Amino acid sequence: DAKTTQPPSMDCAEGRAANLPCNHSTISGNEYVYWYRQIHSQGPQYIIHGLKNNETNEMASLIITEDRKSSTLILPHATLRDTAVYYCIARGGSQGNLIFGKGTKLSVKP
Amino acid sequence: EPEVTQTPSHQVTQMGQEVILRCVPISNHLYFYWYRQILGQKVEFLVSFYNNEISEKSEIFDDQFSVERPDGSNFTLKIRSTKLEDSAMYFCASSTTHPGLAGWGGNEQFFGPGTRLTVL
Repeated sequence: DAKTTQPPSMDCAEGRAANLPCNHSTISGNEYVYWYRQIHSQGPQYIIHGLKNNETNEMASLIITEDRKSSTLILPHATLRDTAVYYCIARGGSQGNLIFGKGTKLSVKP
Repeated sequence: EPEVTQTPSHQVTQMGQEVILRCVPISNHLYFYWYRQILGQKVEFLVSFYNNEISEKSEIFDDQFSVERPDGSNFTLKIRSTKLEDSAMYFCASSTTHPGLAGWGGNEQFFGPGTRLTVL
């Protein structure tokens, strides 16, 4: 899997959009970009994934640059419950396992 | 909404004892995984399982570990002789498909709430 780079921490005001960046400059053509989050010590929770196109679901939006070397996860209206560690993972090829990095610790403040 | 369940939520054992951690994956999923997370550290992949055999395993998954799907619903992780360093949260996950399959369009893994294993 491609190595991803994320800032270790970010703050966001409640109700504002949280924009979490991820660099994956060595991503290969068949690797998807996945985002998961982990709230406290709970199991990781899937958020969204994409290959080339931007994606949106009920939780978030994923913006992938045209060269696919970076992406941004957008939580449009962050709430206190969105405080968590967010992981950006590049996954594909033949490996099924997820390789978690240290992620970005997002703190949503009132 | 279907979910992955794990039992027990917390297991305390003495060093050298065998433990079995249990998971019930989502019913129509075909791929099963175990991960662990030592307190304060990253989530680490242990093993994946498909069609009653191990698909992939990490360096952590040595001879002390084994996995089994004893019936149509449970997926278990056994640690034969626990060590202090096995203390961690153990997460089970499942998914419907797997990269490498023709037509794979990306899919998520669903994680359980975890079992906290404490080895004394």
